[in-house]
Amino acid sequence: DAGVIQSPRHEVTEMGQEVTLRCKPISGHNSLFWYRQTMMRGLELLIYFNNNVPIDDSGMPEDRFSAKMPNASFSTLKIQPSEPRDSAVYFCASTPPGLARGTQYFGPGTRLTVL
Amino acid sequence: AQKITQTQPGMFVQEKEAVTLDCTYDTSDQSYGLFWYKQPSSGEMIFLIYQGSYDEQNATEGRYSLNFQKARKSANLVISASQLGDSAMYFCAMREGQIPPTDSWGKLQFGAGTQVVVTP
Repeated sequence: DAGVIQSPRHEVTEMGQEVTLRCKPISGHNSLFWYRQTMMRGLELLIYFNNNVPIDDSGMPEDRFSAKMPNASFSTLKIQPSEPRDSAVYFCASTPPGLARGTQYFGPGTRLTVL
Repeated sequence: AQKITQTQPGMFVQEKEAVTLDCTYDTSDQSYGLFWYKQPSSGEMIFLIYQGSYDEQNATEGRYSLNFQKARKSANLVISASQLGDSAMYFCAMREGQIPPTDSWGKLQFGAGTQVVVTP
């Protein structure tokens, strides 16, 4: 089975540009999580969805960040406008429901560089 | 308040030796789960092992075992017979109970990680 798929794997953009990161969770999983990882702050949860509904977005840094999950197989994280401090690795993870312990399976990440 | 503490920022271990990575946690929930993830230099986050708060036996997965001491709120990872490929950052994480009334799971809280370097 395919794991969590993220695209693009690498993104280099200039300050002020819009950036869209994409995630396809594992089929059958009903929870999806967006994380950001930096050396300074470690792994931070930005937002998570259950059954396509945002549950907790308290980790979203500011209004420049937005996330959507229009259906069970697709989610986007958008940054508009981007700033150099947004440079990080962004991970998407998904979790199956029920008696599966809540184990999160991570995608390969998107390395974002904002110049 | 920080919920997961990993006090060892980095450690060296010789090939074929065992290594213990420390993790302590803080929760008032009775039902929770503890996880360890490995992040090699290539960057992906790899799930290693899980321990449920009600599990009476320590979890084991191949060369990985979890030393779960509930009263002390510790969940140390033991890697036996270290291999060069074990060099990576290791993260401890905790998930609190399910989100009622659904069967969905909530977020994980991650520790800061421990960098392990295995030497020949």
